[in-house]
Amino acid sequence: AQKVTQAQTEISVVEKEDVTLDCVYETRDTTYYLFWYKQPPSGELVFLIRRNSFDEQNEISGRYSWNFQKSTSSFNFTITASQVVDSAVYFCALSEAPGSARQLTFGSGTQLTVLP
Amino acid sequence: NAGVTQTPKFQVLKTGQSMTLQCAQDMNHNSMYWYRQDPGMGLRLIYYSASEGTTDKGEVPNGYNVSRLNKREFSLRLESAAPSQTSVYFCASTPGRSGNTIYFGEGSWLTVV
Repeated sequence: AQKVTQAQTEISVVEKEDVTLDCVYETRDTTYYLFWYKQPPSGELVFLIRRNSFDEQNEISGRYSWNFQKSTSSFNFTITASQVVDSAVYFCALSEAPGSARQLTFGSGTQLTVLP
Repeated sequence: NAGVTQTPKFQVLKTGQSMTLQCAQDMNHNSMYWYRQDPGMGLRLIYYSASEGTTDKGEVPNGYNVSRLNKREFSLRLESAAPSQTSVYFCASTPGRSGNTIYFGEGSWLTVV
């Protein structure tokens, strides 16, 4: 069975600080996909990134970056120079079937609060 | 670009009442899903429909029924609502092909009193 652990329930930072959200996963499959979603206070789920298990290259998108380490089964998410608008709940998720939400397992989420 | 549309966005029910959450996607996706989100538990799959005409149970199906009315629409029904079904419900869809992104609706906040 697959499992996603987001050990940080809540994080508070002051604007402009960098912050890393941790995600550790468990799966027996060699092929799998990892996701990050953002849920702002308005409630919708916003897709941020999808990575497959064969691609361990770190990715950067503006102030966001992701560090995928198969050796430690982690897929951490860093926000550089955080802003108040980054305040949200962030979910990490794992899928053993690409493109299928049936086998999508979510972590419990990390509530990030960025203070002005 | 509507994407995945859910209605209603907010609903308060009395215990024992029934209601249906509607979901429609305009992306010609094959697969559709219903999740519920509870504090500290992430999202859990209730039911899914891999393709038009098929539905299957997910992780937490008890107390719910679904209908895949056509390729666009996938509804979730609570026949006799219970306080334990107070939650945020998300509909999602995927093309069903390898490697594609999962698209979520905006969520439906349901309170059962």
